[in-house]
Amino acid sequence: GAGVSQSPRYKVAKRGQDVALRCDPISGHVSLFWYQQALGQGPEFLTYFQNEAQLDKSGLPSDRFFAERPEGSVSTLKIQRTQQEDSAVYLCASSSGERGNTIYFGEGSWLTVV
Amino acid sequence: GDSVTQMEGPVTLSEEAFLTINCTYTATGYPSLFWYVQYPGEGLQLLLKATKADDKGSNKGFEATYRKETTSFHLEKGSVQVSDSAVYFCALSDRGVFGPGTRLSVLP
Repeated sequence: GAGVSQSPRYKVAKRGQDVALRCDPISGHVSLFWYQQALGQGPEFLTYFQNEAQLDKSGLPSDRFFAERPEGSVSTLKIQRTQQEDSAVYLCASSSGERGNTIYFGEGSWLTVV
Repeated sequence: GDSVTQMEGPVTLSEEAFLTINCTYTATGYPSLFWYVQYPGEGLQLLLKATKADDKGSNKGFEATYRKETTSFHLEKGSVQVSDSAVYFCALSDRGVFGPGTRLSVLP
């Protein structure tokens, strides 16, 4: 597609509910990133894929967070047993993977846990 | 690990004023450096970048020079406009290590 597409754009979840956030990267982009952005803060790195391989998941805050990209294209970020502190914007981004290349961001999925 | 430090905001300027937003970094090797901008209600988008020492990135009147000796990548604009009001993020490397952002408000 023309840009990085994320869905849903807005999600309200009850505490304890599982959620799944979807990301469609730019076609052909090798690298895919997930970030968490709290209100008034910069994006915090969560995890990084190169094609289908998850090369870095050091930013995932707990084992309730899980990400996958099984065919090297679409990715899903799953949060199990959501907590209030999970409320944030979850940003997906992609790039061609070459050094110095621009990271293109989606508009984000706004998650509110009540 | 890699990290980015930005000057704290918010920054409020009058139209046509000179802007500097400081950014310093800590990293191993020779990272690429970026400035991203987030306009109200919009997603993050690249403003400019530099991939090696002494490179100058520029776009929309904004400039930043990659200074390896001072590990800095300060953002400057000679004459800001109301439409420049946004949050500016300095970022490091191809994995996107971001600073906390600096909110800029430009008053007419």
